[in-house]
Parts: sequence; C-alpha cells; structure tokens
Amino acid sequence: IAGITQAPTSQILAAGRRMTLRCTQDMRHNAMYWYRQDLGLGLRLIHYSNTAGTTGKGEVPDGYSVSRANTDDFPLTLASAVPSQTSVYFCASSDSGTGGKNEQFFGPGTRLTVL
Amino acid sequence: GEDVEQSLFLSVREGDSSVINCTYTDSSSTYLYWYKQEPGAGLQLLTYIFSNMDMKQDQRLTVLLNKKDKHLSLRIADTQTGDSAIYFCAELAGGFKTIFGAGTRLFVKA
Repeated sequence: IAGITQAPTSQILAAGRRMTLRCTQDMRHNAMYWYRQDLGLGLRLIHYSNTAGTTGKGEVPDGYSVSRANTDDFPLTLASAVPSQTSVYFCASSDSGTGGKNEQFFGPGTRLTVL
Repeated sequence: GEDVEQSLFLSVREGDSSVINCTYTDSSSTYLYWYKQEPGAGLQLLTYIFSNMDMKQDQRLTVLLNKKDKHLSLRIADTQTGDSAIYFCAELAGGFKTIFGAGTRLFVKA
C-alpha cells in the first residue's frame, strides 16, 4: 500500500465505552495529525505529533489521547466516549521539514457515532 | 490566534467560472493551500501558493493571493460537475501546523 489507512471505517459506540481509532502511514512522514470534521466547523485539530515519541495538543484535545510509539502508527483513544464526540475523524501525515510546503496526506476517515 | 474564514456554499452552472474566497489572519504564513474533499473521502491537496507569490495558475485553476488584505481566492475555469466537492482554504502557521477553514461546498448545476 501507499498512503495512509484508518480503521475502522465506521463505528457505533455506547456512551462511556473506550474506543481506539487506528491510523497507519507508510510514507515515513515525521508528522501526524488527528482532526475531527463537523458540519459548519470544518476540520479541527485534536492532537498532533512532530516525530515518534512526541505528541502535542491541538484545538480540541479534551476527552482524547494519542501515542506515537513509532513513525508509522498514531492511534487516537477516547477513554470514555460521549455523544458530543460523534463526528468524522481524519488522520493525516506530512513531511514537515523546514521550508517545505508541508502537504498533508489524509486517510479516508472514520465515522464515529456515540449513542 | 490564527483563523481562516470562507463562505459555506457556492452554486454555479456547468461551464461557468467558480470563485471561492478566503480570508486568513496569520500574516507570517509561508504557504497557503486549497484542499479538495470529495464525498466520503479525505482531503487532498489541490494547489498551493507560497507567500511571496501573487498568483499561481495550474490548468483550470488560478490562485490569487493578496497579502495586504490577507485574502486568498481560487478560480476554477469551465467548472464541471466533477468539480462538485468541498474546498478548504488553509494556511501553514507556526512552522508545521495547518489551520483549515470550514470549507466551501461547491454545487455545479448541469
């Protein structure tokens, strides 16, 4: 494969349950990102990672956690899901070298519904 | 903080030109982008412009950048039904973080 994959494609989850969304890239990009997309709000950054072993908070980090144990994988965990976390989640990666255009490559998304 | 604003909807007739506008706040942005999202898919980079340029043309696409007014536009010539999608304006802020607008949904009427 070439690019970025996400799993699952969609999920319906009961409130209070724990859920991990998976993301894997094979482009050896140093930076990875998690966004949520909600109607009328566009893309909002949840968490990011500049390089393996480091992570940072984005615009809407509450209720989410991430880890970056290696270059390829960047899982997003909802510790105790709430209905307001119903959204479409996109993972992205980029080669964020100094001076580069930092094009982000997106996965196909995970549609999550929390009831 | 950084912010990117764009209108939510645009409707054009097939064959007409589409112009999607965007304003941004970070005057130090080095790159500005237009991403396209087709139904059920992730975003894909459509085109970009470096901050020291005023215009970039790529086939049917023309990007105009007005740094003084912090205004970016995307013109699609001879719009086709296949151009129907959501178009996101974005800016590179703080080195690697990209700030996205809410997206403009383009409807193309046959």
